[in-house]
Amino acid sequence: AQSVAQPEDQVNVAEGNPLTVKCTYSVSGNPYLFWYVQYPNRGLQFLLKYITGDNLVKGSYGFEAEFNKSQTSFHLKKPSALVSDSALYFCAVRDRGRTGGFKTIFGAGTRLFVKA
Amino acid sequence: DADVTQTPRNRITKTGKRIMLECSQTKGHDRMYWYRQDPGLGLRLIYYSFDVKDINKGEISDGYSVSRQAQAKFSLSLESAIPNQTALYFCATSARIQGGNRPGELFFGEGSRLTVL
Repeated sequence: AQSVAQPEDQVNVAEGNPLTVKCTYSVSGNPYLFWYVQYPNRGLQFLLKYITGDNLVKGSYGFEAEFNKSQTSFHLKKPSALVSDSALYFCAVRDRGRTGGFKTIFGAGTRLFVKA
Repeated sequence: DADVTQTPRNRITKTGKRIMLECSQTKGHDRMYWYRQDPGLGLRLIYYSFDVKDINKGEISDGYSVSRQAQAKFSLSLESAIPNQTALYFCATSARIQGGNRPGELFFGEGSRLTVL
């Protein structure tokens, strides 16, 4: 079965510094990977996805993610963190459902704190 | 108005009661999902439906049932609620991508917080 792991429960970074939120995955076949963000008392919002092509994927709010097949990683990055980036971030992977369609499996989440 | 609407947003109930959480969407998506969020566990899939006639169990379906009343409506029921079903529940939708082999992203509702005493 497909799975994702987010090794850090929490990441702390100062405003203006670069941030990285880590994700590793385990899949059979081609990996289809996603990042989502959850702000307090809200549902999850899609940030970006890797399907195929360039290993560096750009997404919403200045975020990007680097796909590394040899390390089975899909780390989320941003060159300069903002206080407003503080939220819960989820890495996710596509998994094939019983009838052939796809469902999404999520990691446990990483809480990002950006300090002013 | 939200594209994916969940009702109720908050509910407190007692052990043994039947509870229904409702989800409706205006995105025109075929695919709908129910997830449960618990601290430190991320989101776990309860049930998913790829169209009105297709219902599938997810990772943690025991104690839950669903009904896909229409393309736009997908409800989750707890027949006899128990305290360990206290959680934040999310409904989500996704589009079927032409060609079938590339997954679309999920669109989430705002969540339904359920407390079972």
